[in-house]
Amino acid sequence: QVQLQESGPGLVKPSETLSLTCTVSGGSISNFYWSWIRQPPGKGLEWIGYVSYSGTSYNPSLESRVTMSLGMSQNQFSLRLSSVTAADTAVYYCARDLGTPYYGSGEFDPWGQGTLVTVSS
Amino acid sequence: DIQMTQFPSSLSASVGDRVTITCRASQSISTNLNWYQHKPGKAPKFLIYAASNLRGGVPSRFSGSGSGTDFTLTISTLQPEDFATYYCQQSYSTLIFTFGPGTKIDIK
Repeated sequence: QVQLQESGPGLVKPSETLSLTCTVSGGSISNFYWSWIRQPPGKGLEWIGYVSYSGTSYNPSLESRVTMSLGMSQNQFSLRLSSVTAADTAVYYCARDLGTPYYGSGEFDPWGQGTLVTVSS
Repeated sequence: DIQMTQFPSSLSASVGDRVTITCRASQSISTNLNWYQHKPGKAPKFLIYAASNLRGGVPSRFSGSGSGTDFTLTISTLQPEDFATYYCQQSYSTLIFTFGPGTKIDIK
């Protein structure tokens, strides 16, 4: 059974870069796309983008600040979001996309439990 | 972007009730519509894909229907573990996947 766990700093200063890692257990990251999704306090879910060995695709509204990558030696993938502001405060989730290794399907299962990242000085 | 709306935004129900949630897309998305269940502090759970297909292990009291712009999620007989927030999500536009704002079901 595939399980995902997010990790990273819970507090980031404005204008700095948010960095999170998702560790995948119970399966390989090789054959899927892997997504990051966030939920600001009191707001809805926002898809940030996804990554696989075939490439990446990002939400156009965040594309200029987002970088996603796969771990080289471990079953991990990561998110970097630069120049953060208070608007980036959110619970960040990682999730597996159930599509093929060549394109994402937009069907997310499973998800991690999420990690709260607060942007504040 | 394809905008998703849901209604109601919240509802109060009792165990044993039949509950229906509506999701609407701003343009036709065929049947590229998924449903998730989310409980506080937990990982969201994938319930239904392609509008009406239950993910393996999801109880049969959950069902989905619809196509084009209008979709519904129905829980035939509400159980205590079903009190949660439910989100619809379109997977038609692969440029950007978007979610509805959620419908929270709480205990009456």
